[in-house]
Amino acid sequence: RKEVEQDPGPFNVPEGATVAFNCTYSNSASQSFFWYRQDCRKEPKLLMSVYSSGNEDGRFTAQLNRASQYISLLIRDSKLSDSATYLCVVNDRGGKLIFGQGTELSVKP
Amino acid sequence: DVKVTQSSRYLVKRTGEKVFLECVQDMDHENMFWYRQDPGLGLRLIYFSYDVKMKEKGDIPEGYSVSREKKERFSLILESASTNQTSMYLCASSFQGQDYTGELFFGEGSRLTVL
Repeated sequence: RKEVEQDPGPFNVPEGATVAFNCTYSNSASQSFFWYRQDCRKEPKLLMSVYSSGNEDGRFTAQLNRASQYISLLIRDSKLSDSATYLCVVNDRGGKLIFGQGTELSVKP
Repeated sequence: DVKVTQSSRYLVKRTGEKVFLECVQDMDHENMFWYRQDPGLGLRLIYFSYDVKMKEKGDIPEGYSVSREKKERFSLILESASTNQTSMYLCASSFQGQDYTGELFFGEGSRLTVL
C-alpha cells in the first residue's frame, strides 16, 4: 500500500462547478498534512495546510479525518485558473514530506 | 521571496557518465531535499539534509549520492548515469524549527535525459 494515495484523475469540470479531491495516508502517526498545487511544467507550491478542525481559504476548504486517515480538498466555484495537479502531502517523519502522486484537475469554459 | 535555483533546466547525458545537479537556496534554510518526479509515481524522495555535511537517505537513494559542504548548496550526484534515471529532478528547501509549516520551496526542476 502506498503511503499517500490519491485518485489521479483527470477530473474534468465546467467553470463554476464544485469539485472534491480525496487522499488517504497509511501511517496513523503522521503529524501534519498539506495540499500543494503544481501547474503544468512548473514546480509544486504550497496551497494550504490541513488542520484537524478543518480550514478554509476563500474557495478552498481542506478537511482532515484522523480516525479514517483521510484528507480532502474542496474547491467551490471552479475557475479556469484552478486547472493544475493537486498534491496531497503528509509530514510522516518529522520534517520529511511524503507526496501523493497528485490529482489532475481540468476546468473547462 | 525565497529563491531555490537549480543549475540546469535540461540535460542530456550518456549512459555511464557522471552527472552533477546543483541546487542553491538563498533563505538560510536548514533543510534541503532532492526529489525525482515521474508520471504516475509522483514525487519520490532521494536524499535530504538537515545541516551542513549531514545527509540522510530517502526512499530511493540507490544510484545517487549527495553533497552538502555549505548550508546554501545541496548537490545530487549520479556516479554512473543509467537510462532509468531519466526523470525530472526537483530540489527543495525549508526551515527547521518550532514554526515549521511544512512549506517546501522548490526549484524549477532539472529535466535529465540519459541516452
